[in-house]
Amino acid sequence: QQQVKQSPQSLIVQKGGISIINCAYENTAFDYFPWYQQFPGKGPALLIAIRPDVSEKKEGRFTISFNKSAKQFSLHIMDSQPGDSATYFCAALNTGTASKLTFGTGTRLQVTL
Amino acid sequence: DSGVTQTPKHLITATGQRVTLRCSPRSGDLSVYWYQQSLDQGLQFLIQYYNGEERAKGNILERFSAQQFPDLHSELNLSSLELGDSALYFCASSELAGNGNEQFFGPGTRLTVL
Repeated sequence: QQQVKQSPQSLIVQKGGISIINCAYENTAFDYFPWYQQFPGKGPALLIAIRPDVSEKKEGRFTISFNKSAKQFSLHIMDSQPGDSATYFCAALNTGTASKLTFGTGTRLQVTL
Repeated sequence: DSGVTQTPKHLITATGQRVTLRCSPRSGDLSVYWYQQSLDQGLQFLIQYYNGEERAKGNILERFSAQQFPDLHSELNLSSLELGDSALYFCASSELAGNGNEQFFGPGTRLTVL
């Protein structure tokens, strides 16, 4: 059962553009939503995370928007750069019962010149 | 560099064999997680240990087992290997057991079963 749905599967954005990746979850017990960035040959690295008590969190060029009623959250990468080309995973966690991250299927982002 | 180390980096073995993957968490981290990443299943949680004890179990096959030793390093044992076990295996660590504690991932072990 896929509890976190992620789209799109792949994304091509021009340098300087905005990259938007969307995720939707089913389990209302999830209360921590991180985004991970993975480069080829490397492990996932935490990019930014949000809890459902806020609707938006911004760190530099990366912003998470969170809609609790719709059970959706998204990652916006402003002024996308070629160095942002990587695979991005959203994830969700119920901090009260377990620490296992439930990941989305990933989005392969390519930022072109 | 996350501070989590995994060995070996690559493993090539045959069906039916048994392998051991090793993980050393970041200094001070008590919790270790194992994840499997494959093309068809994505990133899947396998098992978590906290300070030597099993804390949570995910989609881990009975052929797979893990343990965390007193020095906090962990090993994932995969036995009776099948072609479908070919995947990237990641270890992650965190300071505590839960509460959204950030998980730091190692570079992974790529397992190829021929």
